[in-house]
Amino acid sequence: QVQLVQSGAEVKKPGASVKVSCKASGYTFTSHYMHWVRQAPGQGLEWMGIINPSGGSTSYAQKFQGRVTMTTDTSTSTVYMELSSLRSEDTAVYYCARAGSNHLDYWGLGTLVTVSS
Amino acid sequence: QSALTQPRSVSGSPGQSVTISCTGTSSDVGGYIYVSWYQQHPGKAPKLMIYDVSERPSGVPDRFSGSKSGNTASLTISGLQAEDEADYYCCSYAGSFNWVFGGGTKLTVL
Repeated sequence: QVQLVQSGAEVKKPGASVKVSCKASGYTFTSHYMHWVRQAPGQGLEWMGIINPSGGSTSYAQKFQGRVTMTTDTSTSTVYMELSSLRSEDTAVYYCARAGSNHLDYWGLGTLVTVSS
Repeated sequence: QSALTQPRSVSGSPGQSVTISCTGTSSDVGGYIYVSWYQQHPGKAPKLMIYDVSERPSGVPDRFSGSKSGNTASLTISGLQAEDEADYYCCSYAGSFNWVFGGGTKLTVL
């Protein structure tokens, strides 16, 4: 069965960076792109970007361009999302979600990132 | 890319039907058949309920259906059940490898 296991919660200071991992299993890792989506407390879902695990090509939402980097490690079937220059508004649960053609078919449980001084 | 527009809340009694709308533009909802819907219970990860406007993944009850007209997509839940109470989000492909979500709708089962 498809599983996406994300790294644990993080607490960061403003200006720092955070790197969240998402380890995939139960399917051929390189056959499906991976999305990243975040959800601030009490707010809606916000699409951040997508990565092709086969080759590493990416597309980022304009809002995050210059601050987000998505990478992949095919040897461990893991994708990473790094967000830099953190500010309090980046406090959110960050989800990875497998791409099923043009939708998001399987989701990780989320990683809470708290930005606080 | 602006978020798609959804009503903040809808409600219905058990057994009734409710429809949640999702309005975008010709650059997203109106331009592609790639509209999907997600259900999210409090503290849980979202779950795919509808994709490609009206397709249901296996395991999703046929009480859930989707449609689209112009720049507006809709999710209809018939025969409402208590467990349907959740937040619902629409999502659309917006071209150039970009996706956009709606603001979310809270469904209350009275």
